Amino acid sequence: EDKVVQSPLSLVVHEGDTVTLNCSYEVTNFRSLLWYKQEKKAPTFLFMLTSSGIEKKSGRLSSILDKKELFSILNITATQTGDSAIYLCAVEVLDSNYQLIWGAGTKLIIKP
Amino acid sequence: DSGVTQTPKHLITATGQRVTLRCSPRSGDLSVYWYQQSLDQGLQFLIQYYNGEERAKGNILERFSAQQFPDLHSELNLSSLELGDSALYFCASSRGLAGDYTQYFGPGTRLTVL
Repeated sequence: EDKVVQSPLSLVVHEGDTVTLNCSYEVTNFRSLLWYKQEKKAPTFLFMLTSSGIEKKSGRLSSILDKKELFSILNITATQTGDSAIYLCAVEVLDSNYQLIWGAGTKLIIKP
Repeated sequence: DSGVTQTPKHLITATGQRVTLRCSPRSGDLSVYWYQQSLDQGLQFLIQYYNGEERAKGNILERFSAQQFPDLHSELNLSSLELGDSALYFCASSRGLAGDYTQYFGPGTRLTVL
């Protein structure tokens, strides 16, 4: 059965800290891995990763994929209170029907 | 603003009732996805439509149904509502064409069943 596991489930740090969120997966027919940020409302797209070892970067956020070890990490440096959110990881799977397998999310709380 | 719209924003109804949630995808997007998110739970994929046809089914109850219309908007129908159906219901859309499946989410409809 395809599955996506995120860790930790919850993380509390102080402003200015660096955090690393993990997403591991076991799927057949992997196509890509996506990261989303969910604050109070709808998830917003952050990154899509398809190739191993190539870092995607957006400001203080960066992410990388390891297709051999089947995981991805999302790094946030110099965290700010506005980074507090649930970070969701999802894996695109290609089979007879296109599917997106979602992890349960990591709840990140940044304390001032 | 993702370009995906959902109505209504909030819906309060009683057990046993039926409701319809509506979603308009981003311009040019052919695929629509429906998700349920209950309190403190992750996103649960319900169903996907592509250009009017059902493409994939997730954990969708038999009491729930959906369709995508020729103008590509979609509706999710929830019937015989139970207290446990109270949740945020998200719609997402994507181009759905080869190489472009990134999903963009609407603001969600919060359903409360009393």
